[in-house]
Amino acid sequence: DSGVTQTPKHLITATGQRVTLRCSPRSGDLSVYWYQQSLDQGLQFLIQYYNGEERAKGNILERFSAQQFPDLHSELNLSSLELGDSALYFCASSVAGFGGETQYFGPGTRLLVL
Amino acid sequence: AQKVTQAQTEISVVEKEDVTLDCVYETRDTTYYLFWYKQPPSGELVFLIRRNSFDEQNEISGRYSWNFQKSTSSFNFTITASQVVDSAVYFCATLSGGYNKLIFGAGTRLAVHP
Repeated sequence: DSGVTQTPKHLITATGQRVTLRCSPRSGDLSVYWYQQSLDQGLQFLIQYYNGEERAKGNILERFSAQQFPDLHSELNLSSLELGDSALYFCASSVAGFGGETQYFGPGTRLLVL
Repeated sequence: AQKVTQAQTEISVVEKEDVTLDCVYETRDTTYYLFWYKQPPSGELVFLIRRNSFDEQNEISGRYSWNFQKSTSSFNFTITASQVVDSAVYFCATLSGGYNKLIFGAGTRLAVHP
């Protein structure tokens, strides 16, 4: 158990809908990362937050957004969902978010868009 | 740009065999970090090891060992006396000193048969 929690574990929804994925980092970690794992793209970095501020952005679609709250939990919002958004979404956390730190991953949220 | 290549897509071995998973990385940075993660059938990503570019000392941890060679840009992972519980997808990843996003390889699926 990495100490990173994610809810829900599974999510089934329809195209065009909006969903919110939630992540709580390990105790003491200030930085949260979101990754998407799909069959065609593999594991890809989406976005990073550090202590409430966006720090780095990757291949995140404009339909997707994220935020980190004062209690350090983070939410990833996916809107206007398409079939291709079906994937496993991981949250990870690290102590401070500076280069080189180990990122510890949560169990993931498996999203299925029908 | 950074890149990680795991040329072995799938490996199948019989229990107690030794198996080596290959990883070749590309980076222009002088400071970088290398990681191995394991993804068992349950889906979570489990951190195994982290190495920085200044530490080429190879490591052994129980049945696991890692061989980092800067001259060949390789960071290979060996499991000695494999067990069925080692069956998983193994990912090699890199992270440069100035950036916080992990760049993952495509993964190697290891199947250990009784």
